[in-house]
Amino acid sequence: RKEVEQDPGPFNVPEGATVAFNCTYSNSASQSFFWYRQDCRKEPKLLMSVYSSGNEDGRFTAQLNRASQYISLLIRDSKLSDSATYLCVVNRNTGKLIFGQGTTLQVKP
Amino acid sequence: DTAVSQTPKYLVTQMGNDKSIKCEQNLGHDTMYWYKQDSKKFLKIMFSYNNKELIINETVPNRFSPKSPDKAHLNLHINSLELGDSAVYFCASSQGLRTGNTEAFFGQGTRLTVV
Repeated sequence: RKEVEQDPGPFNVPEGATVAFNCTYSNSASQSFFWYRQDCRKEPKLLMSVYSSGNEDGRFTAQLNRASQYISLLIRDSKLSDSATYLCVVNRNTGKLIFGQGTTLQVKP
Repeated sequence: DTAVSQTPKYLVTQMGNDKSIKCEQNLGHDTMYWYKQDSKKFLKIMFSYNNKELIINETVPNRFSPKSPDKAHLNLHINSLELGDSAVYFCASSQGLRTGNTEAFFGQGTRLTVV
């Protein structure tokens, strides 16, 4: 079993839709959590950190449930430019980021 | 101007050859990493250096040898290349992931193809 699991998708949604991605992690010692975005044939870039209380950045909302070891990302009012792979990432504060496989989102006009 | 830069961007080589990938960061970070992204898109850490000192060495064949001449540079040398080494290799840096919510910045990747 992978330490960080995501549904690889693809998720195909129309512009303006709301879409949610989920991620589970297996190591309860995980301390820090992130969502990264990776465009096709590009490097991963930080989208947002995920805090226990949940956090929002514009159209993006991230939630963390430590008891269930579950992280989510909600994207509202999807734009064409949101099409990318979204990577769930955890860090045990050991200096090692553990990446999920990524969930591919395709937003259609 | 680029924060983390790695060269070359593309590398096509024959089995058995030795090749190097170079990485430099101008962010003043203490920690640098090499990640491998295979055809299934999983990003896996290979090595991590903190202030030129090796701190993470995952189960990587010893044909792969990282070298950090200073904290702004982390190069990756690969001996006797094999078909299975074909992947995208990403260099990254951060101020120190051990301190918690610290962003890692990635280079643009080196697409290695072994034929």
